[in-house]
Parts: sequence; C-alpha cells; structure tokens
Amino acid sequence: QKEVEQNSGPLSVPEGAIASLNCTYSDRGSQSFFWYRQYSGKSPELIMFIYSNGDKEDGRFTAQLNKASQYVSLLIRDSQPSDSATYLCAVNGGSQGNLIFGKGTKLSVKP
Amino acid sequence: DAGVTQSPTHLIKTRGQQVTLRCSPKSGHDTVSWYQQALGQGPQFIFQYYEEEERQRGNFPDRFSGHQFPNYSSELNVNALLLGDSALYLCASSLVSGGDGYTFGSGTRLTVV
Repeated sequence: QKEVEQNSGPLSVPEGAIASLNCTYSDRGSQSFFWYRQYSGKSPELIMFIYSNGDKEDGRFTAQLNKASQYVSLLIRDSQPSDSATYLCAVNGGSQGNLIFGKGTKLSVKP
Repeated sequence: DAGVTQSPTHLIKTRGQQVTLRCSPKSGHDTVSWYQQALGQGPQFIFQYYEEEERQRGNFPDRFSGHQFPNYSSELNVNALLLGDSALYLCASSLVSGGDGYTFGSGTRLTVV
C-alpha cells in the first residue's frame, strides 16, 4: 500500500513567520511531488510541484525534496492570515498515473 | 480558458438510490480522475479515465463505476448508495502523464440520508 504521511496539525504560526509543512512517502519509485492548498469547503488548488532533489522557489513558497529520505516539505515565508488552510501533499508514483494524497496539515496563521 | 466543471454542486440522496455526477475537464486535458474526500481526510483515488477507458482504479467497490466520452468529459456513477458514501466528490483533469499535476473542479457534495 503506497502511502503519503502528513502531520494533521493544526500548525499555528504568527503572521509574518515561516510555516514549515512536512510530508513523507513510502514508494521509492515516486517521481513527481505536489503541494495543494484547500480552503474549508473548497476544492484543492495546486501551489507547487517538484521533480528533482533540492529546493524550488515560487514567490513566498519553497518546496524541498529529498528522495533518499523520501521526504518533501513546503516552506511558506512571511505567512499571512489568508494562508490559513489545509495543505495537501500528493505524490505521483512510478508507473501509476494517479496522485496519492496525504490527509493534509491544517495551518492557522494568527494576526 | 475554462477550468474543470462539475455538476451538480450539491446532492441529497436516499440510501439505496443511484447517483450520477458529471465532469468536464480543463481545455487541453485528456485524462479525468475521480476522488472521494470525506470530512477531515485527504482525497481518496476512485479511478482514472483516459481514451474512454478506465486506466487505473483505487480501492473502491464495483458500486462505483464511470465513463469517459469522446469529448473527454466523464461521469461517476454510484449504485446502492450507503450512508458512508456521503462525501465531497472531486473530479480532476490532467494530461495522461500527470506530470504537471491535476486541476480540480469545485466538487459535488453528496449527502446520503
């Protein structure tokens, strides 16, 4: 059973701080890694994807991938109250075309 | 550029009934995947359609079936509804490789009473 694990939180950070969200996955054949943001009652929205080991930056967001440790993270700099949402980690594994999602980490940014 | 469109947005059904949910993919996408998301959980993969055939299937019973049409749109059918089928049903479209991730529709909230 291929799994994606996330700390369910809630993770609470003050406005302006860095929020760090973590994810581990079980399938070493996984090739693509995604972070989605989901506001309550809404559908997931793609924030970033990463394929290669290392860091990938997009604005206030940085995705980090370590395939040897089977670990993906998302850093949100200068966190804003509007960043408060559930963040879903998803993995596209090997020969399979489907995304496998973690349960999500709920982030709360306090003004 | 139209995104992923799902209908209906909300639905209430009685246990034992059948339901059909519909999805139109984002322009340029050829693959449609369906997910079930229970409250407080991540989306669970139901199945994926490409070239009008079921390409992948998750751990869901045969009560869940689907179809993809030549225009890439898709339907999800659930027979003999159970209370536990109450969830948000998400349609996601992508290219067949899935490499750039999925684009999700706004979902259909199904309540079984």
